[in-house]
Amino acid sequence: GAVVSQHPSWVICKSGTSVKIECRSLDFQATTMFWYRQFPKQSLMLMATSNEGSKATYEQGVEKDKFLINHASLTLSTLTVTSAHPEDSSFYICSARDQGLREKLFFGSGTQLSVL
Amino acid sequence: DQQVKQNSPSLSVQEGRISILNCDYTNSMFDYFLWYKKYPAEGPTFLISISSIKDKNEDGRFTVFLNKSAKHLSLHIVPSQPGDSAVYFCAASEGNNNDMRFGAGTRLTVKP
Repeated sequence: GAVVSQHPSWVICKSGTSVKIECRSLDFQATTMFWYRQFPKQSLMLMATSNEGSKATYEQGVEKDKFLINHASLTLSTLTVTSAHPEDSSFYICSARDQGLREKLFFGSGTQLSVL
Repeated sequence: DQQVKQNSPSLSVQEGRISILNCDYTNSMFDYFLWYKKYPAEGPTFLISISSIKDKNEDGRFTVFLNKSAKHLSLHIVPSQPGDSAVYFCAASEGNNNDMRFGAGTRLTVKP
């Protein structure tokens, strides 16, 4: 099946620093990728939809200047958490859609971010 | 605004028995529902789906039931196997909308 690679899987950073998370579709081209965040015992919440070659579409309540998304190619999207604070500590996960089919949504393994 | 809810955070079942995972939703416009399975340190993987025009979809040991009037769906696993132990996410979407809403997940443990 299709593979989505997400790195890093785990990161600890100091408050005020920026963290970049990469999401790559390894064996298919993804014009659309999605970024989610999950707090403990809560749902996977969609943060933004990343479109190749254009600006990302952010969900209500998600700060676009804080969570910078770049989808420069059909196989790579990056999420940069800028000036991270402890409240940004969460599990971030990306997904990519293959062939535009709803069930063809493949997920990365996620990134656990801890901001000290 | 949690449009998809999985009210049971965990479920423990004996091997060979049936596992029933439940999911409720509030948005009547949802017309496509999916279950994802997640092992530790891995991303969720697609398991089974159902369109709102159906009330049942079966794939091997996995069956999803949809009750539109109750806005409820369930995943049945029969017989349950230890390898089924994982977190199961329910998800729902509307039309061709990319915005897929997820539940919080249910951790299933199948005991040998």
